[in-house]
Amino acid sequence: GAVVSQHPSWVICKSGTSVKIECRSLDFQATTMFWYRQFPKQSLMLMATSNEGSKATYEQGVEKDKFLINHASLTLSTLTVTSAHPEDSSFYICSARDWGTVNTGELFFGEGSRLTVL
Amino acid sequence: DAKTTQPNSMESNEEEPVHLPCNHSTISGTDYIHWYRQLPSQGPEYVIHGLTSNVNNRMASLAIAEDRKSSTLILHRATLRDAAVYYCIPSDDKIIFGKGTRLHILP
Repeated sequence: GAVVSQHPSWVICKSGTSVKIECRSLDFQATTMFWYRQFPKQSLMLMATSNEGSKATYEQGVEKDKFLINHASLTLSTLTVTSAHPEDSSFYICSARDWGTVNTGELFFGEGSRLTVL
Repeated sequence: DAKTTQPNSMESNEEEPVHLPCNHSTISGTDYIHWYRQLPSQGPEYVIHGLTSNVNNRMASLAIAEDRKSSTLILHRATLRDAAVYYCIPSDDKIIFGKGTRLHILP
């Protein structure tokens, strides 16, 4: 099946620094990717929809200046957590849908990136 | 987004069938019923989806009520690797996760 890869799998950073997480669709093209975050023992929360070649669409309550999303190509989206603080520590997960499928098609998820901010 | 109701947790014995229920009484006419699962410390994994008719694939079967207000995911022969949180998600676009059902498989 289709593969979505995230990098890094885990990262530890100091408070105040910025961290970039990459999401790549390895064997298909994705005009749309989705970014989620998940706190321990909670469900996934949709943060934003990343659209290739245009601005991301953020869910209510998600700060767009805090979580910068860039979707420069059909196979790569990046999430940058700017000026990270301990409360940003979380499991960040991306997903993508093959651009050849309809909006109701299967979503492929990355392995997730665990961010710990000290 | 349609609201869903799923049991918080369920248990099943290994190698027995498992029926995971989901109520989605506010589902809209264009919403597909998606099921995803998440194993510990991993990203979610697609299981199955359908609109009106029952669906089968290599992982599971999806039984959809005639009025589409509920559905049941069926794992025909559960294994220990099926222990996960299962999410039922009615949607015609974005996938919004609820709390899901945590499935425990007993050896």
